[in-house]
Amino acid sequence: GIQVEQSPPDLILQEGANSTLRCNFSDSVNNLQWFHQNPWGQLINLFYIPSGTKQNGRLSATTVATERYSLLYISSSQTTDSGVYFCAVSGGATNKLIFGTGTLLAVQP
Amino acid sequence: NAGVMQNPRHLVRRRGQEARLRCSPMKGHSHVYWYRQLPEEGLKFMVYLQKENIIDESGMPKERFSAEFPKEGPSILRIQQVVRGDSAAYFCASRATGSYYGYTFGSGTRLTVV
Repeated sequence: GIQVEQSPPDLILQEGANSTLRCNFSDSVNNLQWFHQNPWGQLINLFYIPSGTKQNGRLSATTVATERYSLLYISSSQTTDSGVYFCAVSGGATNKLIFGTGTLLAVQP
Repeated sequence: NAGVMQNPRHLVRRRGQEARLRCSPMKGHSHVYWYRQLPEEGLKFMVYLQKENIIDESGMPKERFSAEFPKEGPSILRIQQVVRGDSAAYFCASRATGSYYGYTFGSGTRLTVV
């Protein structure tokens, strides 16, 4: 099955800093999503981005499908950005989402 | 337009009891996926259902776990004779047929087995 790797596994930032999270996947996919799991456990859908670039406020994402990676950019980080960021991809007949192991982000004031 | 609704949000069961977790997909969505998140881990696929059919149950434990998505009503994930290792967050996601605009997740059910 498709393998999904995320880096870095942990990241500590000072408020206001920028960061880049990476997601590598092992096969072609028809769906890629970035999620933020907040400290209360809720999964927030950030981007549906199987290819191309999207921006939403301080967040943006780029997926290069031919090279099988995606990047999530967080600019001017805030303490509310803390939590775990997951990349998830799907492909094949059932299109089940396969999640990466996540990046744990802590933004300090 | 309500999102994916899961209930209960928190469930406590004693070892040996049954746990029933409910998921109502978004309106118009006929595809439901269940995921389990053990403490400090990522989400693992369990089962994929369409109305009245199990499409892919490759992630379901072979014993004690079952899922259904009847013609009417929510999807149910049922865990019989729960053990401490079943303590986890269980998430449900839905999507529409032919839609690859992303999956919408519910807020999860946190199961604690005491």
